[in-house]
Amino acid sequence: QVQLVESGGGLVKPGGSLRLSCAASGFTFSDYYMSWIRQAPGKGLEWVSYISSSGSTIYYADSVKGRFTISRDNAKNSLYLQMNSLRAEDTAVYYCARPIGGVRGVGWFDPWGQGTLVTVSS
Amino acid sequence: EIVMTQSPATLSVSPGERATLSCRASQSVSSNLAWYQQKPGQAPRLLIYGASTRATGIPARFSGSGSGTEFTLTISSLQSEDFAVYYCQQYNNWPPTWTFGQGTKVEIK
Repeated sequence: QVQLVESGGGLVKPGGSLRLSCAASGFTFSDYYMSWIRQAPGKGLEWVSYISSSGSTIYYADSVKGRFTISRDNAKNSLYLQMNSLRAEDTAVYYCARPIGGVRGVGWFDPWGQGTLVTVSS
Repeated sequence: EIVMTQSPATLSVSPGERATLSCRASQSVSSNLAWYQQKPGQAPRLLIYGASTRATGIPARFSGSGSGTEFTLTISSLQSEDFAVYYCQQYNNWPPTWTFGQGTKVEIK
């Protein structure tokens, strides 16, 4: 079945770095756009970043622009999020999700991974 | 940025009753709206897309309606497994800048 599994979360000090990974299975990964979405503890959902199927088109939320880098390795069916200059407000569960449908195939998200927790604290 | 506003923040409903959740967009998103259900400790699950189309495997008691700026998710007869937080999400932008509502928690009355 279609599945996304995140890894790489953990505790990091403010100003530090972390790299998240998302392993995809059950579908042709190279055919699909991908995204990262986060959820701060007890809060709502915030879209973080998007990457096209080839990796040639990338967008970021203003809150992470210049600090986070999204990438993918289609040969490994994997999505990544390199997070630098981390702040306390980046503390959240980070989900990878596949956007499908809508205009140009960037509509709703299905499926979602189970999430990985990133905690930024000294 | 398109701001999505959900109401109410919390909805207390008895099992078997109907629940009506609202989502308002700060500008028209046409029918480019999705709804998700999230239970504690779990990832969100897609319920509705295109404002009114149920996702695969979603029971018929879930229905969506609306277009433009006003949307509704209705759960016709609440089951125990339906108590959760529900989010709306618009996907009307290009370049994509998806935005979500702040969520409505459906709790047992």
